[in-house]
Amino acid sequence: DTAVSQTPKYLVTQMGNDKSIKCEQNLGHDTMYWYKQDSKKFLKIMFSYNNKELIINETVPNRFSPKSPDKAHLNLHINSLELGDSAVYFCASSPRRGVVERTEAFFGQGTRLTVV
Amino acid sequence: QKEVEQDPGPLSVPEGAIVSLNCTYSNSAFQYFMWYRQYSRKGPELLMYTYSSGNKEDGRFTAQVDKSSKYISLFIRDSQPSDSATYLCAMRQGGSEKLVFGKGTKLTVNP
Repeated sequence: DTAVSQTPKYLVTQMGNDKSIKCEQNLGHDTMYWYKQDSKKFLKIMFSYNNKELIINETVPNRFSPKSPDKAHLNLHINSLELGDSAVYFCASSPRRGVVERTEAFFGQGTRLTVV
Repeated sequence: QKEVEQDPGPLSVPEGAIVSLNCTYSNSAFQYFMWYRQYSRKGPELLMYTYSSGNKEDGRFTAQVDKSSKYISLFIRDSQPSDSATYLCAMRQGGSEKLVFGKGTKLTVNP
């Protein structure tokens, strides 16, 4: 009964490849996010979707394309992978603002991407 | 100046010590303040949540927010080896979904 689950947990791939990371939440939340955590542990938001609509896009290269087929899923597709894309990618979700006061994000376990 | 500054440590304390973790920020529009705990190779988990200024206590943990100084703190009393983790402060503006994180402080509590 994992709240926010990501697959795969580990991903090793060569430069230039295209890969996808999947995320699903069973919390009934309306908002989902992708965060990137670099080698220095700095966690930075990439995208946010609210009920399948993109609401935050933080100057992320066009090679990164999020897709939300429904409000419980937010996938991340990365084209033409580069060495600098190596990081841990976290999916997160939060309840809709105004419904509950605490709109803090719940995080998945992360996908460790290594580009070689 | 980064929006949120946090000393990355590492911080090493003996079991039972009181731990003080801090963040400063520059954006006066931040209204919601959080502390996340992240164990090695795991996702961040919410520890404390505070709206605006004031104190909040939950067991051995106390969060303080001083908006006039743009300074937030997390205190851990009677620290335990199981508290060893990286602690990340996070904050956001009212009406925004975007959480801005500090770089995290790595804490080790030695038995």
